[in-house]
Parts: sequence; structure tokens; C-alpha cells
Amino acid sequence: SAVISQKPSRDICQRGTSLTIQCQVDSQVTMMFWYRQQPGQSLTLIATANQGSEATYESGFVIDKFPISRPNLTFSTLTVSNMSPEDSSIYLCSVEGQTTDTQYFGPGTRLTVL
Amino acid sequence: GDSVTQMEGPVTLSEEAFLTINCTYTATGYPSLFWYVQYPGEGLQLLLKATKADDKGSNKGFEATYRKETTSFHLEKGSVQVSDSAVYFCALSRSGAGSYQLTFGKGTKLSVIP
Repeated sequence: SAVISQKPSRDICQRGTSLTIQCQVDSQVTMMFWYRQQPGQSLTLIATANQGSEATYESGFVIDKFPISRPNLTFSTLTVSNMSPEDSSIYLCSVEGQTTDTQYFGPGTRLTVL
Repeated sequence: GDSVTQMEGPVTLSEEAFLTINCTYTATGYPSLFWYVQYPGEGLQLLLKATKADDKGSNKGFEATYRKETTSFHLEKGSVQVSDSAVYFCALSRSGAGSYQLTFGKGTKLSVIP
């Protein structure tokens, strides 16, 4: 499976600011995904990021709030914009495995918004 | 739409006890089924998977069998250890919109006491 790293691992931010989370993979992958895990909850898919095209957002998530970049096959960023305390969550990126029905996850970024 | 239902937690077991975590799903077609594990403070790790009816996934002493007739994928382990303490997520993966979409259950927290 791919080795996935995320930066930062955690952060504490003030409301109204923005944070960009980086996701780096040690091999080229077609699809990358961004998820949100609110405290004590399951994972919710934010968007799917395919290299060279606009990200596809799930219902309830918009590009202005969660802009995503996918400049190459090993890297993606998610920005959480104009943050509020409700954005406090763990944000995880994942990638497709060699069998495309399987995803592998990064360690997550734990965000606290004050 | 697709959905995954897991037994409510938390589950507390003594070391060497038998573990069952129930998982049922609703999906059209033939999804792949997964168990992911999240250790404290970490991201999700793929524990095991099964891709078709009657397949048994197994890893680290855990196993689960894809039961299409009961739409279930229950996780079992014969003798749990303290190191198995974690949150366990059941998930299904089905093709849609150009990529496989993962749908997660709410997670079941397992605590194993010595």
C-alpha cells in the first residue's frame, strides 16, 4: 500500500482564518480523496480530486469553503477557509490502491478552531 | 442510497475474550466490503476486505465473511488483546461517478482491559 503523509498533523486556529493541509503520497495515484471526521463521528467525504481537473464536491461541501488543489499525481492540498469552531475536525486524505475499490488513508490533521 | 449500520458502542471486553462487531449494509449492486481500524490519535488503517459473496477477509486474527443473503459483514476475533483497543469502522465501496465511493458506518469503539 502507498505511504501517505499529511502536514500539519494538528493545529489550533482562530476563527475567520484559513488553513491549508497538505497530503503527499510516495507513489503516483490517479484519485485522491478528502474526508472530514467530526468529533466522535464517522468519516464524511468532502471531495474527490483527480489530477488535472476540478475537484468533485459532495453535497453540503462547496469549493469556496474547501478549495482543493491537485497539481500532480503525488500531492494535493485542502484549504479550510474562513474557519469557525464547527470546522474543528480531523481531516484525512486517502488514495486509491492498486485495486481501485480500496482506499488507503493518511494519518489525518487534527484541527481545532477557537 | 448506500448505508452501513454498525452495532453501537462502546464495547468493553477482557483480554482473551471473543469479539463480534456486527455490520449490515444497504447497497445496490455488488459492493466491496471493508473493515478499517483507527487507533487512538491515528488515521484509518485497512484491516481486511472482501469483494464478493462468501469471501472471507482476514488479518491479524480478525476475520469477516461477506454474507449477501443477510447483507452482513460481521467482524470477529477469537481472543482480543489490549493492543486491539481502537475504533472499528465498517465500510462499503461501490463504483459511482468515475471512482469508487466509500460509505462508512459510525464506528464502534472497542476497549480491551487486562
